Amino acid sequence: EAGVAQSPRYKIIEKRQSVAFWCNPISGHATLYWYQQILGQGPKLLIQFQNNGVVDDSQLPKDRFSAERLKGVDSTLKIQPAKLEDSAVYLCASSLGGGSNQPQHFGDGTRLSIL
Amino acid sequence: QKEVEQDPGPLSVPEGAIVSLNCTYSNSAFQYFMWYRQYSRKGPELLMYTYSSGNKEDGRFTAQVDKSSKYISLFIRDSQPSDSATYLCAMGGANNLFFGTGTRLTVIP
Repeated sequence: EAGVAQSPRYKIIEKRQSVAFWCNPISGHATLYWYQQILGQGPKLLIQFQNNGVVDDSQLPKDRFSAERLKGVDSTLKIQPAKLEDSAVYLCASSLGGGSNQPQHFGDGTRLSIL
Repeated sequence: QKEVEQDPGPLSVPEGAIVSLNCTYSNSAFQYFMWYRQYSRKGPELLMYTYSSGNKEDGRFTAQVDKSSKYISLFIRDSQPSDSATYLCAMGGANNLFFGTGTRLTVIP
């Protein structure tokens, strides 16, 4: 079974620029998550999709972050404009269904550095 | 108070040692408990998953949950250099998972 695919693996941009990340979840997984992991911390949920609908985006900084999952499969996360504090690893995860009883499977993340 | 507290370490042990990793939590509604292993520059990998108090064993790994004390542990027996990684506990109730900050473990050959 192919895992969660993410691209790019690394991205370096200057503050105030924009950036986008892409995620392809495990086939058949209805639920997709985007997490932010700052160095030395655990992953923090940004947004959760169930198919192509948003379940939880309460911790997404909506003035600069946006995400979509138009066809219920792939997803993109965008930051515009980027700030220095956005430097982090952005992890995508997927699970068969929603709820914390469903184990989440993670991709290797996109490491974002803001100069 | 954080939902989940985890000792960040770092923890360094000799090969073959028994390792104990621990997390505490404050929300009594948490029912599902997981341990993830994260190698450097990789995503977290699910290691153990439990949903009740007690022990669950998988090879050299044992997950222990004590809901009355709001305390979970991961034990690694006969630790190997390949176990060197950051270990994240995660737990949740009906919906979201809450992660600990991770404990960095180094097993010295």
